[in-house]
Amino acid sequence: GAGVSQSPSNKVTEKGKDVELRCDPISGHTALYWYRQSLGQGLEFLIYFQGNSAPDKSGLPSDRFSAERTGGSVSTLTIQRTQQEDSAVYLCASSLASGTGNIQYFGAGTRLSVL
Amino acid sequence: GDSVTQMEGPVTLSEEAFLTINCTYTATGYPSLFWYVQYPGEGLQLLLKATKADDKGSNKGFEATYRKETTSFHLEKGSVQVSDSAVYFCALSPYSSASKIIFGSGTRLSIRP
Repeated sequence: GAGVSQSPSNKVTEKGKDVELRCDPISGHTALYWYRQSLGQGLEFLIYFQGNSAPDKSGLPSDRFSAERTGGSVSTLTIQRTQQEDSAVYLCASSLASGTGNIQYFGAGTRLSVL
Repeated sequence: GDSVTQMEGPVTLSEEAFLTINCTYTATGYPSLFWYVQYPGEGLQLLLKATKADDKGSNKGFEATYRKETTSFHLEKGSVQVSDSAVYFCALSPYSSASKIIFGSGTRLSIRP
């Protein structure tokens, strides 16, 4: 596609429910990243994929968070048993390959509100 | 660990004023440095970058110079416009993990006509 696409754009859920957030990277981009933007914590790195594998998942805040990528394309970030502190904007980015020479292009984000 | 500290906002300026947003970093080795911008209702966009000491990144009239001796990457623009109103993030990509970006807290800039 023309840019990184994320869905849904907004998600409201009840505490304790599971949610899935989807990211569709730019066609041909092999690297994909998830970040979280929240008022208290700013922009935090969560996980990065090169192809379908995740060499760095050091930013996932707890074992309630998981992510997968299939076919080297679409990625899903899953949050189980959501808590109010999970409320944030979840941003996805992609780049042609990994490394500092490759610019990361960001989607518009999914705003998650946990009631 | 690696981190970025940037000037707290909000910053409000009149059109055509000179802009500086300060940014300093802590990192081992030689990180790459970036400024990202988030316009209202839009996603993050890369504004400019510099990958080694003394490099100057520039775009849309904005400039920033990678200063290793002061560990700084201050953003400047000589004459701001109303359309520059946005949130600006200073960021680095660590030398040890070139795929992760570490962001500063962001500075909201508002330009008055």
